[in-house]
Amino acid sequence: DSGVTQTPKHLITATGQRVTLRCSPRSGDLSVYWYQQSLDQGLQFLIQYYNGEERAKGNILERFSAQQFPDLHSELNLSSLELGDSALYFCASSVAGLDAEQFFGPGTRLTVL
Amino acid sequence: AQSVSQHNHHVILSEAASLELGCNYSYGGTVNLFWYVQYPGQHLQLLLKYFSGDPLVKGIKGFEAEFIKSKFSFNLRKPSVQWSDTAEYFCAVIYSGAGSYQLTFGKGTKLSVIP
Repeated sequence: DSGVTQTPKHLITATGQRVTLRCSPRSGDLSVYWYQQSLDQGLQFLIQYYNGEERAKGNILERFSAQQFPDLHSELNLSSLELGDSALYFCASSVAGLDAEQFFGPGTRLTVL
Repeated sequence: AQSVSQHNHHVILSEAASLELGCNYSYGGTVNLFWYVQYPGQHLQLLLKYFSGDPLVKGIKGFEAEFIKSKFSFNLRKPSVQWSDTAEYFCAVIYSGAGSYQLTFGKGTKLSVIP
């Protein structure tokens, strides 16, 4: 157990819909990262937040957004969902910046029908 | 855009065989390098990392990796694999410069170790 929790574990929805994925970092970690893992694209870094502020951005679509709240949990919002958004979405946390060891959560499997 | 290449998609080895998984990156500037492992049904976890200093890095479970700057490579090695090393291995690179960072993962290499 990495100490990072993600909810829900599975999510099934329809195209065009909007969903919110939630992540709680390890106690004491200030950074949260979001990743998308799919068979064809592999593991893609989406975005990093540090202590409530966006710190680094990867291959995140404009239909996706994230935020980190004062209690340091984070939410990833996916809107106007397409079939190709079906993937495993991981959250990770670390003490500080990108160069710190990241601890990964179990992931949320999103299926868009 | 920066890229990370893991040339082997799936490697099958017998127990006690030696392992080397390739990782090449495309950037000539400052990089931090990582290998992560994902055991079946488990979350990703860090095997080892390189920031600076000795280019031969030792990680957990007997793994090591060598940073060869001239070859833009960070290959993962283990002299003798065990069945419990069956997992997917991901190389990751942080490119930094001008106050910004880019984090890129390779597509992963599945390792199957046959008892």
